[in-house]
Order: sequence, then C-alpha cells, then structure tokens
Amino acid sequence: SQKIEQNSEALNIQEGKTATLTCNYTNYSPAYLQWYRQDPGRGPVFLLLIRENEKEKRKERLKVTFDTTLKQSLFHITASQPADSATYLCALWMDSSYKLIFGSGTRLLVRP
Amino acid sequence: EPEVTQTPSHQVTQMGQEVILRCVPISNHLYFYWYRQILGQKVEFLVSFYNNEISEKSEIFDDQFSVERPDGSNFTLKIRSTKLEDSAMYFCASRQSGTVYEQYFGPGTRLTVT
Repeated sequence: SQKIEQNSEALNIQEGKTATLTCNYTNYSPAYLQWYRQDPGRGPVFLLLIRENEKEKRKERLKVTFDTTLKQSLFHITASQPADSATYLCALWMDSSYKLIFGSGTRLLVRP
Repeated sequence: EPEVTQTPSHQVTQMGQEVILRCVPISNHLYFYWYRQILGQKVEFLVSFYNNEISEKSEIFDDQFSVERPDGSNFTLKIRSTKLEDSAMYFCASRQSGTVYEQYFGPGTRLTVT
C-alpha cells in the first residue's frame, strides 16, 4: 500500500529564514500531491496542490516541488514568520481509489 | 468565505452508546468525506460520499459506521456501539467537483468515549 514519510522531528528555524519540509512516498506516483496546514485542535487547511506533470508551484511565500523520479515533494516557506508555526501535512490523491492519504506531518516552529 | 461547519465541537459518550456527528459542507460542493485523527496520530480517511452513495471506504469504516445525507445540506456520521478506541477528532471535508481536488475541512468534533 502507499506509504508517505514526513520528518517526524520538529523543524525549528529563525524568523526570516526559509523553511523546507520533505515528503517522500513509496510505490506509484499520485495524480496530485497536496499540502495542508494544521494548527492544534483544528482541521487541516488546504495550501497548495501540484499535479504529477508539474515540477513546481508557487503561491505567495509558498513553493512546492514534485519529483516523480525521486518520489519526493519539497515544501518551502520563504521569509518565515512566527505565525507560520504549525504542522504541515503532505497528502496524496490517488486516482485509483478516489481518496486522500495523509502523511503524519512535520511540525514547524519559527522563532522570533 | 464559505466554510464547512461541524456539530457538536465536543461529544462525550459512554462505551456502547450510539453517536451522530453532524456536518454542513460548503453548499456547491458535491463530494463529502469523513476523516478521523487519533490524538498525536495522522489524519486517516474513513469514507467518501458522492451522489448519495458511498464511493470509497477504508478498513476502519466497518459495520459500526454509517453515513447519510438526510437533506440538501447535512452530512452525518453515525457510530453505533462506540468503543474506547473510537475516541478521536472526526473531521468532515468537502470538495467542489470531479476536477477540483482540494478539500475543505471542518473544525472537527472531538469524540471522547468513556
């Protein structure tokens, strides 16, 4: 079955720096890879989606890359702010099963 | 901005009781989902619902669970004979159409089974 790996250790960075989070998956490539933000006790919030034929997607300070050869996506937040502190979830949309599979998430802490 | 709403925000129930978790998806959305998240663990897919029927369900979604869209706005998850291990956050989500894949999640219902 499809497995998704995100770094379980928290990423601790200084305000203003770029945060880079990694998502690796096994088996076959998803049609779409999505990134969500989750704050404690809240539901995931959609951030970005990238298709399997796209290499990179940007939205304001966010950038996502997708390498189907490496089976990896990188999620970047530039000019990070303390308000960016949250858990970031990688999720794969499988066309074969019409469902979203989530990774366990990486917690980001941005120090002022 | 339209959002998914869920009630109640917190439900406490005794083991063996039935609970119904309610969701109001975004009004023009066609696909509806339930997920659960046990404390400290990842978000897990339970079931998807489209055109008034289940389109996909996970191994977790056994006979203890059922979903319904009783009217044009509500989407419910019923858990019969709750167990201690059903304690979790339950999230409802919806998405717009077949070619739009981002999902919009509600704030969740925290279910505590004692």
